[in-house]
Amino acid sequence: KQEVTQIPAALSVPEGENLVLNCSFTDSAIYNLQWFRQDPGKGLTSLLLIQSSQREQTSGRLNASLDKSSGRSTLYIAASQPGDSATYLCAFISGTYKYIFGTGTRLKVLA
Amino acid sequence: NAGVTQTPKFRILKIGQSMTLQCTQDMNHNYMYWYRQDPGMGLKLIYYSVGAGITDKGEVPNGYNVSRSTTEDFPLRLELAAPSQTSVYFCASTRTGSYEQYFGPGTRLTVT
Repeated sequence: KQEVTQIPAALSVPEGENLVLNCSFTDSAIYNLQWFRQDPGKGLTSLLLIQSSQREQTSGRLNASLDKSSGRSTLYIAASQPGDSATYLCAFISGTYKYIFGTGTRLKVLA
Repeated sequence: NAGVTQTPKFRILKIGQSMTLQCTQDMNHNYMYWYRQDPGMGLKLIYYSVGAGITDKGEVPNGYNVSRSTTEDFPLRLELAAPSQTSVYFCASTRTGSYEQYFGPGTRLTVT
């Protein structure tokens, strides 16, 4: 059974730091992986989607990488800002369009 | 496009009552999903649908039912509500070939 783990569970950093959030999965036959942001009391917003044939995706200050051999994905946030404070979730996506979510990393960026 | 919309936003039910959570998407997506999110936990899949008329169980389907009569709508029915169904419910959709999933704003349900 595919399991998705996110470390750390919570993170508090001063503004301006570069951050690395980790997502690991047990089944290396990954098809795709998606990173989301969730603000308190809100739904999930898609940040980046990495397809199986890709190694990374970038959007603005965000960069996500996928290493299938080690069963890991990393979300890199450059020059963090207070507005980046949210919970970040990763989801493993199978070839049959099923999504398995990690429990998330709660990020707080201090001004 | 409105994307994925859900109603109601909040609801309080008494034990044993029933209700339907509504979900509509206007992106012509084939795949639609219902998840529940409990505090401090990830999302658990309740039911999903690969197209109109086709539904299948997810990880936690007990106590719920779904139907998919149109591409746009995917309602979730709770029969005989129980306190264990207190949660936040999210509807999501995906287009075939894209894999990018889009979420609704959620319904916060309390069963007392």
